[in-house]
Formats: sequence, C-alpha cells, structure tokens
Amino acid sequence: NAGVTQTPKFQVLKTGQSMTLQCAQDMNHNSMYWYRQDPGMGLRLIYYSASEGTTDKGEVPNGYNVSRLNKREFSLRLESAAPSQTSVYFCASSEIQLIGADTQYFGPGTRLTVL
Amino acid sequence: RKEVEQDPGPFNVPEGATVAFNCTYSNSASQSFFWYRQDCRKEPKLLMSVYSSGNEDGRFTAQLNRASQYISLLIRDSKLSDSATYLCVGNTGTASKLTFGTGTRLQVTL
Repeated sequence: NAGVTQTPKFQVLKTGQSMTLQCAQDMNHNSMYWYRQDPGMGLRLIYYSASEGTTDKGEVPNGYNVSRLNKREFSLRLESAAPSQTSVYFCASSEIQLIGADTQYFGPGTRLTVL
Repeated sequence: RKEVEQDPGPFNVPEGATVAFNCTYSNSASQSFFWYRQDCRKEPKLLMSVYSSGNEDGRFTAQLNRASQYISLLIRDSKLSDSATYLCVGNTGTASKLTFGTGTRLQVTL
C-alpha cells in the first residue's frame, strides 16, 4: 500500500495563478483532510471531508476550494494564488468518523511558493 | 490563547538521557489526544495515543491529566534517532478534527 500520496511535491507559482493539489489514499478511509504548515503556526486545517460526498471548512479555508472526487481522492484548489499561501500543504486521511478522533495518516506534503 | 500549547524548545539532551515534554490544552471538551513525531521536511506520523490511565510503548510514556488539562510525553534512554519535532494533538470533539500544537523540537547528541 502506498498510503497517502500527494502531487506535486514542489511548486512555484506567480501571484494570481491557479493550481490544484492532488491527494489520494489507498487505505479505504472515509475521512480526508487538507492542512497547511507554516513556521511557528503548527498544522492548520483548511478543509476536510468526513465522508465521500461531503466537505466542510476548517480553520483557514479562505482562498481555497476542495473536491472529494471519490472515496480515494481529495483535491485542493487555489483559484488565485497569493504570497500568503506560500506554505507546506499536507493531505491526511483517517478511518472512520467518530465523536473523538482516529489516527490520521499524512501524505509527504507539497511545498508551494507563491512569488 | 492557542487551543494546544507547547514549549517549542529546542531541547538538547545527550544520548541516554531522559527527557519530558508537556503540553496544555484549552478545550475541556477534547476527548482524544495524541503525540505525533515529525522529522525535518517530512510528514507527521503518529507516535502514540494518550489515554487517561497513561500508556507506555517501549521507551515512551504518555500521560493525560484532565483536571489540569495537560498531556506529557516522557522519553527514556534517548537515542540519536529520537531527534525530531514532537507534536501534541487534541481533537475538537467532532468529526475527527484535530488541533495540532506547534511542536517541541528535540535534539539528541553524542
């Protein structure tokens, strides 16, 4: 099993450009997440999908959109990139949605720079 | 106030030492807690879950104190390979949403 995969690994954009970050998991997990990690800020949740067909905003959703394409895939789109979106983006998945939490498994991350 | 707060460190300890990290959380409704480990420029990986009764996994011991709202991680007999950033994590109560601390950096030296 590959676990959680993300593409691309690195990306440089100019302000105003758009792009989509791809994420896929092969663990048959119901829930998927997108985080960004910035120095001194920790991981912050952008959007999550508790199950196929649903998406919800996290802590920092502005400037992003998501699509839960199917149970395996969850993409993150930047419609008009801004320098403030320079960050490392991690996708994660977990097994089931509960009151409480389950272990989240992370992809290797995408390092995005917006000039 | 951040929901989950950690001392950023770094903690510099010699090999073989015992080191302890604490983490405080503000959301009393949080039910699940974890310690994740993150190596430089890598993704976070689960180190261990934290139970009210305390739990141990080899050289690692995690404890939860609900009354004082803090979580601890104790590492005994530190190895060079333990050098990493340790993230304290709590859930927000619903939908498996996790809140991550900013991490405590550990550097184990010869």
